[in-house]
Amino acid sequence: AQSVTQLDSQVPVFEEAPVELRCNYSSSVSVYLFWYVQYPNQGLQLLLKYLSGSTLVESINGFEAEFNKSQTSFHLRKPSVHISDTAEYFCAVSRNTGNQFYFGTGTSLTVIP
Amino acid sequence: EAGVAQSPRYKIIEKRQSVAFWCNPISGHATLYWYQQILGQGPKLLIQFQNNGVVDDSQLPKDRFSAERLKGVDSTLKIQPAKLEDSAVYLCASSSPTTYTGELFFGEGSRLTVL
Repeated sequence: AQSVTQLDSQVPVFEEAPVELRCNYSSSVSVYLFWYVQYPNQGLQLLLKYLSGSTLVESINGFEAEFNKSQTSFHLRKPSVHISDTAEYFCAVSRNTGNQFYFGTGTSLTVIP
Repeated sequence: EAGVAQSPRYKIIEKRQSVAFWCNPISGHATLYWYQQILGQGPKLLIQFQNNGVVDDSQLPKDRFSAERLKGVDSTLKIQPAKLEDSAVYLCASSSPTTYTGELFFGEGSRLTVL
């Protein structure tokens, strides 16, 4: 079975500062990895994903995550955050057959002006 | 392309009452999921459909929760009778296994408050 651990439930950070949201997973099979974002009063949206190939993946709004198989991690980073990045971030894993997504408990990112 | 539609957005009921939520996935998406998201927690899978068949309902409390997807398109999730601990956001998501890109598409959710 797969599981996902997000080590930080809340992360406050000042605007334009860097941020890292941590995610570790456990799985006995090959997996796909995802970060979803949930803005206030909205549904979850895909931020970025790792399916195969390059272990460093990027989103269109400056976030990146690196798949580290040896450390079973998929941490999310951004070098300079904006107020608009304030949201809940969820790490998720699925088996590479495409079924059975498992979500972490989420990290609430608050960007302070 | 229309997204995943859910209704109602908000529902307040008293315990022991019943409630139903509706979801219409993205056109052509064969896989439909219902998740329960309790405040402060990540989404928990309740049930997964492939067309009109159930793939996984291992975490669905079957004594009070039921779900159907009779024609393989839209779906209904019912809770009867509701308990206080059922207060949560119920999320519907869909995906297309034939053109699988690893992404689930979520609706905005239905927020249930049980008093």
